[in-house]
Amino acid sequence: GQQVMQIPQYQHVQEGEDFTTYCNSSTTLSNIQWYKQRPGGHPVFLIQLVKSGEVKKQKRLTFQFGEAKKNSSLHITATQTTDVGTYFCAERGGGSNYKLTFGKGTLLTVNP
Amino acid sequence: NAGVTQTPKFRVLKTGQSMTLLCAQDMNHEYMYWYRQDPGMGLRLIHYSVGEGTTAKGEVPDGYNVSRLKKQNFLLGLESAAPSQTSVYFCATAWGRGQPQHFGDGTRLSIL
Repeated sequence: GQQVMQIPQYQHVQEGEDFTTYCNSSTTLSNIQWYKQRPGGHPVFLIQLVKSGEVKKQKRLTFQFGEAKKNSSLHITATQTTDVGTYFCAERGGGSNYKLTFGKGTLLTVNP
Repeated sequence: NAGVTQTPKFRVLKTGQSMTLLCAQDMNHEYMYWYRQDPGMGLRLIHYSVGEGTTAKGEVPDGYNVSRLKKQNFLLGLESAAPSQTSVYFCATAWGRGQPQHFGDGTRLSIL
């Protein structure tokens, strides 16, 4: 099945610094979803991107879907300690696919 | 997370024992999923269901069975637990194919 590769695996930043995680695929994606999981918690849906070149913002978070629909990124401006957690991308694949395939995630830690 | 409830939250088993994990949802979602999460491995799909009375295998189905006798419940069974099944298990639901998933709080299962 399709796979999405996430980089980096870990990222440690000082509070106030920016953070970016990337999700890459060798094949064209139907859509991409982003989730956040706080330490000890469960994944929580953040956003879904469907269109080529799409950009969506949620406060300090900016999500992008590549023009070729093979990559996506999540950028956090001026990180805060509340941003700590693991960020996952997930892709649906095309056709009658009922499933999501999750990347392995990027663990973000923030030093106050 | 009132929408998706998992029971139990924690459990310790001995090798060879059996148990059932219950996922209950009150959102009237058609699709339900069982994942396991292990360090560095992300979320891996065990089994899923696209509606009452239906089940299908995911990425890592061996050693597990599932049933969806009622739309609101999705049961995950371990017939003969093995230490390799020590993990955190998450149930998720979605209203439609490939749509964002809502996760339960998880079940932390240890097998000795």
